Amino acid sequence: DAKTTQPPSMDCAEGRAANLPCNHSTISGNEYVYWYRQIHSQGPQYIIHGLKNNETNEMASLIITEDRKSSTLILPHATLRDTAVYYCIVRVANFGNEKLTFGTGTRLTIIP
Amino acid sequence: GAGVSQSPSNKVTEKGKDVELRCDPISGHTALYWYRQSLGQGLEFLIYFQGNSAPDKSGLPSDRFSAERTGGSVSTLTIQRTQQEDSAVYLCASSLAGTSYEQYFGPGTRLTVT
Repeated sequence: DAKTTQPPSMDCAEGRAANLPCNHSTISGNEYVYWYRQIHSQGPQYIIHGLKNNETNEMASLIITEDRKSSTLILPHATLRDTAVYYCIVRVANFGNEKLTFGTGTRLTIIP
Repeated sequence: GAGVSQSPSNKVTEKGKDVELRCDPISGHTALYWYRQSLGQGLEFLIYFQGNSAPDKSGLPSDRFSAERTGGSVSTLTIQRTQQEDSAVYLCASSLAGTSYEQYFGPGTRLTVT
């Protein structure tokens, strides 16, 4: 699986959009970008995933650059409950690659 | 519906003892995963079960670790002769078959080996 690079920490004001970047310059054509987050003392929570098109769901938006070498997770109106460690994961979606390989993630702190 | 549940939530054991950790996946999920998270570390894959296929044990750190999944549902992770470095939060996740489906994680079992 391709390796990802994320900033170790970020702050965002409550109510503003939180934009979390992820670099995956070695991503290959059949690899998806997944985002999970882990709120303190809880198990990780799936947020969103995509291949090449931008994706949006009730939690967030995922913007993937045209060359797919980087992506941005957008939380449109951050709340205090969004404070968590956010993991960007790249993996091939086929049999034999089911496990998730977590990096160190970005610790996002929402400031009141 | 009910999410992934794990028991116990906390376990303190003496070095050298055996421990069993239990995971109840979401009903209908055929894939089940075990991960562990040591203090201040990221999540580390341990083992993966999918249906009746042989489990992927590639992440188990030593032969003291084993896991089984009975009847395609409940799973038990067993650690024999526990060591202090086994102290961690052990997380279980389940998903529908296929890698495009998200994994749903349980709350974890915090294991402390004294």
